[in-house]
Amino acid sequence: EDKVVQSPLSLVVHEGDTVTLNCSYEVTNFRSLLWYKQEKKAPTFLFMLTSSGIEKKSGRLSSILDKKELFSILNITATQTGDSAIYLCAGATNAGGTSYGKLTFGQGTILTVHP
Amino acid sequence: DTAVSQTPKYLVTQMGNDKSIKCEQNLGHDTMYWYKQDSKKFLKIMFSYNNKELIINETVPNRFSPKSPDKAHLNLHINSLELGDSAVYFCASSQLRNTEAFFGQGTRLTVV
Repeated sequence: EDKVVQSPLSLVVHEGDTVTLNCSYEVTNFRSLLWYKQEKKAPTFLFMLTSSGIEKKSGRLSSILDKKELFSILNITATQTGDSAIYLCAGATNAGGTSYGKLTFGQGTILTVHP
Repeated sequence: DTAVSQTPKYLVTQMGNDKSIKCEQNLGHDTMYWYKQDSKKFLKIMFSYNNKELIINETVPNRFSPKSPDKAHLNLHINSLELGDSAVYFCASSQLRNTEAFFGQGTRLTVV
C-alpha cells in the first residue's frame, strides 16, 4: 500500500524563524510529489516536483525532491503569522493502471507561527 | 469565479438518513475526485472519475455511490449514514495528464 509520512507532526515557531518540513514516500509507480497548504478550508497547491535535485521556489517557500532517497523537504524562510497552516505532502501515481491521478497524502504538519 | 464548488458547505443529519453532496468544476478538467478528511486531518482518496468513467475506487463502503452526469460534475450520494461517516469531504479536479489537483472548499458532514 502506498504511504507518505511527514515530520514533524507539529511545529511552533516565532516570526522570522526558518522551518524545514519533511516528507518521505513509498508510492508505487511514482510520478510526482506535491505540496499543499491548508488553512481553514481547501488545500491550496504550492509545488509539484517531478525531478530530483531541482529546487522550486515561490517567494519565501522552496522545495526539493530526492527520488533516490524518496524524500522531499519544504523550506519556509522568515516565517510570518500568515504561514500558520497545515502543510500536506502527497505522492502522485503515474499514467496507466487503475490508480492514475491518485494522490496519497501524508498526515500533515501543523505549523503555528507566533508574532 | 469559483473553480471547484461544492454544496452544501455544512450538513448535519441523523443516523440512517440518505444525503447527497454536489460538486462542479469550471476548469475544463477531465478528472474529478472525492477525498475524505477525518478528524486527524488525514486526507484519503475515495473515488476518481475520468470523463464520467470511474477509474479509482478505494475500499469504500457500498453505501457511498458517486455519480458523474458529465465531466464537470461529480456528486456523492451516501445511504444509511453512520456516525463514522462524520468528516470533511473534499471534491477535487485535475487534468488527467497533470497530477496537480484543485480542491473545493469541503463539505463538513456531521452525523448525529
